Amino acid sequence: GQNIDQPTEMTATEGAIVQINCTYQTSGFNGLFWYQQHAGEAPTFLSYNVLDGLEEKGRFSSFLSRSKGYSYLLLKELQMKDSASYLCAVMNRDDKIIFGKGTRLHILP
Amino acid sequence: ETGVTQTPRHLVMGMTNKKSLKCEQHLGHNAMYWYKQSAKKPLELMFVYNFKEQTENNSVPSRFSPECPNSSHLFLHLHTLQPEDSALYLCASSQGTGGSYNEQFFGPGTRLTVL
Repeated sequence: GQNIDQPTEMTATEGAIVQINCTYQTSGFNGLFWYQQHAGEAPTFLSYNVLDGLEEKGRFSSFLSRSKGYSYLLLKELQMKDSASYLCAVMNRDDKIIFGKGTRLHILP
Repeated sequence: ETGVTQTPRHLVMGMTNKKSLKCEQHLGHNAMYWYKQSAKKPLELMFVYNFKEQTENNSVPSRFSPECPNSSHLFLHLHTLQPEDSALYLCASSQGTGGSYNEQFFGPGTRLTVL
């Protein structure tokens, strides 16, 4: 079967750093996406990883280890507007995208 | 308009009604998608169209019928739906269907309630 696991909810403090983990088991691997979704809004693209390592984009970074079936999204200098759900999505060998259930991140002042 | 637009934004329908959801993308993309998002469930891919041809039907019941007349427009025709079909229906588009070309741009969604 194909499975994407990520924590259901996390809480962090404004100005801090938080790491959201994602593990996956899919039929092949052609890339991993992270999306941000604010309540009542559409998901928006954050990052794409296909090779092992860290991709940095401003306050957000995404890491991938294909051998471990593992990725994380790192958010630095947290702001209140970062309160949202973060969706991990994996593209399998057929280029089909499978989404995880999402991690709801709460930011406390 | 820019990006991906969807109409209507909200829809309430009875189980015997027939309605259609519309999606339009202004990004020059070649692939379009329908997703269903229910509470506490992951985004579920329903259909994929690439260059107007359906390339994926993720075991969706026949009461959902997609139509893609061209690369910019996608419809989801609904008939004899069930209350459990109530959800947010998201349309997305991407430049292509492989690698980074599969970066999805989502519309705002249609919140569907079936009574």
